[in-house]
Amino acid sequence: ELKVEQNPLFLSMQEGKNYTIYCNYSTTSDRLYWYRQDPGKSLESLFVLLSNGAVKQEGRLMASLDTKARLSTLHITAAVHDLSATYFCAVPKIIFGKGTRLHILP
Amino acid sequence: DTGVSQDPRHKITKRGQNVTFRCDPISEHNRLYWYRQTLGQGPEFLTYFQNEAQLEKSRLLSDRFSAERPKGSFSTLEIQRTEQGDSAMYLCASSHWTRSRGQYFGPGTRLTVT
Repeated sequence: ELKVEQNPLFLSMQEGKNYTIYCNYSTTSDRLYWYRQDPGKSLESLFVLLSNGAVKQEGRLMASLDTKARLSTLHITAAVHDLSATYFCAVPKIIFGKGTRLHILP
Repeated sequence: DTGVSQDPRHKITKRGQNVTFRCDPISEHNRLYWYRQTLGQGPEFLTYFQNEAQLEKSRLLSDRFSAERPKGSFSTLEIQRTEQGDSAMYLCASSHWTRSRGQYFGPGTRLTVT
C-alpha cells in the first residue's frame, strides 16, 4: 500500500527560528509535490520536485527531494507569522500526506 | 484569472438525497482530479480523468459516487443516496499532462448532509 507520512503533524514555532518538515513515502516516485493550505481555503501548489537531488526555494521555504531515501524535506528559514498554514506533500499516484499544521508564534 | 472553478461552493442536503457538483478546470489542462477532504486530513483521491477518459477510480469510492467529463472540459461528481459520512469538502484540481507545475485546485464544494 502506498503511504505518505509527514513529520511532524503539528509544529508550533517562534518567529525567526528555522525548522524542517519531513515527508517519507513508501514507493518509488520520480517526483513529489508540496502544497500549502490556509484554514478554510483550498490548496496552493508550492513546489514540484522532478528528480533526485532537486532543490527549489521560494522566499523562506526550501524543498528538496531524495528519491533513493524516498524522502523530501521542506525547510523553513527565519519563520514569519505569514507562513502559518498546513503543508502537504504528495506523490503520484496522487496520494497526500496528512499534512503538517504549522503555527508561527510572534 | 481563469483558475479552476467549482459550483456550488456550499451544499446542504438531507440524507438520502442525490447531489451533483460541477468543476471547470483551467482550459488548457487535460487532467482533472476529484478529491474529498475532511477536517484535519489530507485530500483523499477519488478519481481522475485525462481528457474525457476516466483513468483511475479509488477503491474507496462506493458505487454511490459517479463522475463524468463528457467532452473533456468540465466534470461533474454525483453522489446518490447521500449519507452523513459523505459530509466533507470536495475538491477538484486540474493539471497539464506533463504535471510539471503540479495541480491547480479549485475552491472546493463543502457538502453537509443532515
